[in-house]
Amino acid sequence: DTEVTQTPKHLVMGMTNKKSLKCEQHMGHRAMYWYKQKAKKPPELMFVYSYEKLSINESVPSRFSPECPNSSLLNLHLHALQPEDSALYLCASSQVSNVPLHFGNGTRLTVT
Amino acid sequence: QKEVEQNSGPLSVPEGAIASLNCTYSDRVSQSFFWYRQYSGKSPELIMSIYSNGDKEDGRFTAQLNKASQYVSLLIRDSQPSDSATYLCAVGTNSGGSNYKLTFGKGTLLTVNP
Repeated sequence: DTEVTQTPKHLVMGMTNKKSLKCEQHMGHRAMYWYKQKAKKPPELMFVYSYEKLSINESVPSRFSPECPNSSLLNLHLHALQPEDSALYLCASSQVSNVPLHFGNGTRLTVT
Repeated sequence: QKEVEQNSGPLSVPEGAIASLNCTYSDRVSQSFFWYRQYSGKSPELIMSIYSNGDKEDGRFTAQLNKASQYVSLLIRDSQPSDSATYLCAVGTNSGGSNYKLTFGKGTLLTVNP
């Protein structure tokens, strides 16, 4: 069982919908991450929160909006997505530096 | 642009053989190195971490790091069909303060044939 929990596991949304992905960890980690992974590609970093503050935004389009309500929770708000945004969205957590990331099981997103 | 390079494969080995996976990285100041295994449709699973030059062994897995050559490798001894997966090399970089992230290579698809 993973210690990083992501919901939902699957999400289908239209291009005009607004939805949110959720991630929760209870390992006391102070950094949380969103990665996007397309089929047969490596995970690509989107955002990093460290001590609940956004520390890295890898030039992600504004239709993706991250939020870190507290040290255990991370959300990704989605609005006006495009079909090419369909992918596996991975949440991860870690201590702050020089350590491995622990990944959740991911949310499989399909944009129609 | 910090890069992590891997041979994409596929790499095919017979059951019981040694599988050798290689990775190079471009950022000389990187200090942490990881191998993840990812089964199709699943999330990456950490199998090895290495921080110092030399070898690190854990069961059937051995990670090797050479910072001078900017090279990381993973050996899998006595390969099993259940080892068939994509292996991702990941390099940790810290660009100051709390700006730590992992950059992944493209992954090597390993197939172990019974």
